[in-house]
Amino acid sequence: QVQLVQSGAEVKKPGASVKVSCKASGYTFTSYGISWVRQAPGQGLEWMGWISAYNGNTNYAQKLQGRVTMTTDTSTSTAYMELRSLRSDDTAVYYCARDSWNDPSDLDYWGQGTLVTVSS
Amino acid sequence: DVVMTQSPLSLPVTLGQPASISCRSSQSLVYSDGNTYLNWFQQRPGQSPRRLIYKVSNRDSGVPDRFSGSGSGTDFTLKISRVEAEDVGVYYCMQGTHWPPGLTFGGGTKVEIK
Repeated sequence: QVQLVQSGAEVKKPGASVKVSCKASGYTFTSYGISWVRQAPGQGLEWMGWISAYNGNTNYAQKLQGRVTMTTDTSTSTAYMELRSLRSDDTAVYYCARDSWNDPSDLDYWGQGTLVTVSS
Repeated sequence: DVVMTQSPLSLPVTLGQPASISCRSSQSLVYSDGNTYLNWFQQRPGQSPRRLIYKVSNRDSGVPDRFSGSGSGTDFTLKISRVEAEDVGVYYCMQGTHWPPGLTFGGGTKVEIK
């Protein structure tokens, strides 16, 4: 069965960086992509960006351009999302979701989420 | 960017009664390939989102048939034919047609039991 298992909760200071991992199993990793979505406390869902595990192509939400980098390690079927220059409003649960290999549109399976808290 | 507007924000429903959630997009969601990339997600309290419906009306595997999606162009609806206690949660629509710039979600509709 398809599973996406994310790394554990993080606490970071403003200005620091965080890197969240998402390990995939139960499917051929390189035949799909991964989207990242975040949810601030008590708020809705915000799409952050997408990476194709097939060819490494990426697309990031405009508001995060320059602060976010998404990568994959095909040898371990793991996707990573790094967010830099953290601010308090980056405090959120971060989710990875399986997506299409050629464009973001599916989000058919989701990870359990990773809480990132940004606080001084 | 495409704006997705859901209504109502909150939907109290009696068990066994139907429920309907509306989602409207600021632009047509028909893609050049003829498909309409409009998905519905359910987020139960304390859980990750779960996809229920993809491309307007296709139910995901394991989703009860009391859930149905419909619509076209800019107007879409998620219906629950008979609400059960396990249906409590927040429901989101999401468009995947206009990419780039990227996916956008509706603000969510909270379904609760009266």
